[in-house]
Amino acid sequence: EVQLVESGGGLIQPGGSLRLSCAASGFTVSSKYMSWVRQAPGKGLEWVSIIYTGGSTYYADSVKGRFTISRDNSKNMLYLQMNSLRAEDTAVYYCAAGIQLDYWGQGILVTVSS
Amino acid sequence: DIQMTQSPSSLSASAGDRVTITCRASQGISNYLAWFQQKPGKAPKSLIYAASSLQSGVPSKFSGSGSGTDFTLTISSLQPEDFATYYCQQYYSPPFTFGPGTKVDIK
Repeated sequence: EVQLVESGGGLIQPGGSLRLSCAASGFTVSSKYMSWVRQAPGKGLEWVSIIYTGGSTYYADSVKGRFTISRDNSKNMLYLQMNSLRAEDTAVYYCAAGIQLDYWGQGILVTVSS
Repeated sequence: DIQMTQSPSSLSASAGDRVTITCRASQGISNYLAWFQQKPGKAPKSLIYAASSLQSGVPSKFSGSGSGTDFTLTISSLQPEDFATYYCQQYYSPPFTFGPGTKVDIK
């Protein structure tokens, strides 16, 4: 059974850094396109980033240069390093597997506030 | 970047109604289009991929169609568990943008 579990969220001050983790089971992260999607409170879904099976990465303009997606094949983990955080980055962050976002984690809340 | 629009933004319907939601891409995306259902406080759930292919375990009352720039999601007979927000997403070219969502609630 495929399962994705996010961790690492919480309250962080503007300008700070945070690393989100996503533990995968039931498949290997290296075999699927892996993505991060976020949802600000009361808002719609926003695509954030993707890492391809070959290692190529892409980002939304809103996070480019501040966020970095990566994976650790040996640990079967996906990560999102978030730097220079802003209030507008406050959201529930989901990791998702497959180019078509077939499987989703339960989400983790990141709050950027002083 | 490819922009996605959805119409209507919300609709009210009764159980048993047939519901159709439209999604439009700002440029052609072939059939690289997915649909998701999200209930309050829950993670989105994949319903349809490749514009018209049903995800495993999704009931056949959901169907998708379209290609190029115009797509539709149809729910053939709305049931209480179908009241939710529905999103389309293109995965033709990154950034893989979502539509703004269509909220389906009870009339």
